[in-house]
Amino acid sequence: TQLLEQSPQFLSIQEGENLTVYCNSSSVFSSLQWYRQEPGEGPVLLVTVVTGGEVKKLKRLTFQFGDARKDSSLHITAAQPGDTGLYLCAGVETSGSRLTFGEGTQLTVNP
Amino acid sequence: NAGVTQTPKFQVLKTGQSMTLQCAQDMNHEYMSWYRQDPGMGLRLIHYSVGAGITDQGEVPNGYNVSRSTTEDFPLRLLSAAPSQTSVYFCASSRPRSGGGETQYFGPGTRLLVL
Repeated sequence: TQLLEQSPQFLSIQEGENLTVYCNSSSVFSSLQWYRQEPGEGPVLLVTVVTGGEVKKLKRLTFQFGDARKDSSLHITAAQPGDTGLYLCAGVETSGSRLTFGEGTQLTVNP
Repeated sequence: NAGVTQTPKFQVLKTGQSMTLQCAQDMNHEYMSWYRQDPGMGLRLIHYSVGAGITDQGEVPNGYNVSRSTTEDFPLRLLSAAPSQTSVYFCASSRPRSGGGETQYFGPGTRLLVL
């Protein structure tokens, strides 16, 4: 099983600040996904990045896939309390379509 | 569409009891999976299915059984519950896509406590 490490595990910031969450592995993935999970609910897909070096933007969220397809980052600009939640990265294994999840980053944005 | 539904939402079991967690999807997705989520460990794959009649083991299959008799349903069975199976269980479904990376749709989860 390919492993994914997320950092930081916990992040508490003030509204308006910027933040970056990292997802790293020693293995290559065919693509990488970012999910957001709110308390009492299942994860919801935010984005899938497929090409090494790819950058995708979703409003104030910017996702980047590393050139070697081993790592990814999520950057949030001007965080808002509504961004609070658990952010999970998930790598799609090169051998098939199974997902390997990172441990998650619990983000709290204080008003 | 209701998407992915899971029942029950909460369950308390005693050690040794058995139970079945239900999962159903109405999106005609071929792929279905069961994950467990524990603090600090993300989601770990228990079992998955690529179609009716086909199942395979994931990362943490011990103590769990599955079957896939229809496209819509994918129940997860605990034959003899243990405290280590206390967790939140998520069912997910997806439609296969060439090269992988398909969107997984998750249910709301079942919170299980084994005493």
